[in-house]
Formats: sequence, C-alpha cells, structure tokens
Amino acid sequence: AQSVTQLGSHVSVSEGALVLLRCNYSSSVPPYLFWYVQYPNQGLQLLLKYTSAATLVKGINGFEAEFKKSETSFHLTKPSAHMSDAAEYFCAVRGPNFGNEKLTFGTGTRLTIIP
Amino acid sequence: DAGVTQSPTHLIKTRGQQVTLRCSPKSGHDTVSWYQQALGQGPQFIFQYYEEEERQRGNFPDRFSGHQYPNYSSELNVNALLLGDSALYLCASSSPSGGAYNEQFFGPGTRLTVL
Repeated sequence: AQSVTQLGSHVSVSEGALVLLRCNYSSSVPPYLFWYVQYPNQGLQLLLKYTSAATLVKGINGFEAEFKKSETSFHLTKPSAHMSDAAEYFCAVRGPNFGNEKLTFGTGTRLTIIP
Repeated sequence: DAGVTQSPTHLIKTRGQQVTLRCSPKSGHDTVSWYQQALGQGPQFIFQYYEEEERQRGNFPDRFSGHQYPNYSSELNVNALLLGDSALYLCASSSPSGGAYNEQFFGPGTRLTVL
C-alpha cells in the first residue's frame, strides 16, 4: 500500500519569501511522486513529477522538489513566492508498474501569500 | 487541442436519486480515471477504464459504476445517492504510449450536491 502525508494544511508566506510545502511518502515499491496544484473551482494541474531519474526535479512556475529516500520525503519549494501561487497543493504517489496508475493523494496544503 | 472536458459543471440531486457524469478525454488518450474530491480533502481514486473495461478500482461501493465508449469517452454513474456523495468529481485521462509512466491530465470537474 502507498500513502502520502502532507504536513500543514495551511501555510502562509510573504510575497518574495521561500515557499516550502512538506510531503512524506510510504511505499513498499519504488514510488512515482507528484505535486499537483488546484486553483479555486478548477481541476488539478501537474507541477512536477519524480519517476526514478534525477532526485532534484524542476517543474513549472519556478517550483522544484527533491526526492530523499532516506527521509521518505518529497518536499516542494520555490525560492520566491508570488501572489499567483496562492492555491491548494497536493502531493500524490503511485506505483511504477504499467497498468497500476491509481494516484493516492495527500489531504492538501492551502498556500496563502501575504502581500 | 482540447483538454479533458466534463459535463455538467454543477449538478444538484436529492437523496436516493441516480446521477450520470460524463467525461471526454484529451485527444489521443484512451484511458480514463475517475476521482472523488470531498470538500477539504484530496482526491480519492474511484476506478479506471481502459479498452472499455474497468481495469482498476478503489474502495468505493457498487453504487458507483462506470462505462467507457469506443470513442474513449466515459461515464460515472452513482445510484441511490447519499448526502456523503456530495463532492467534486474529477476525470483524468492518460495514454499508454507514455510508457510505464502515464501522466494523468485532469478535467475541471463536476460539482455534485446531494440534498
């Protein structure tokens, strides 16, 4: 079984400050890990993914995440927050096997940007 | 290129009724997954359809059923609606040509309210 835990249901940062959203995973097989963003009244948009290649993954909108097996973590960061980053962020995990595409999501972190 | 589309956008039903939600996958995609996102929660996997058959299923009762048509579009049916079925229902499509990793592209969702 696979799961992810997102620490902090709400995170507030000032505009221009570092964004750090935390995600820890549990998986009995090498995981594929994802970060999605959801703006109000919209679906999910993929920010970035880890699929067993480079451990430091760069995504869209200046976000990046680092896969740390020893810490079972996949935290999302952005050096400088922008007002447009305000949204809900979800970490997700799935197994690497073809045909097993079920995504298991965390409970989400709502990011608020303070002007 | 149209992305994943879902209809209707919003729906209000009463307890005990039945509902059908529809999804058209992204062009070139042949696999459709459905997720339920309750308010304040992460999406939960309902099931996935590939080649007109249910390939994978999450922990949802038999009241939740689906169908995939030859043109790859899909329907989610929920019978005997409960108040707890109120949620945003998300459809995601993917293509096996993506290899072992098949990115899922999400639609905007259908907001179902059960009164």
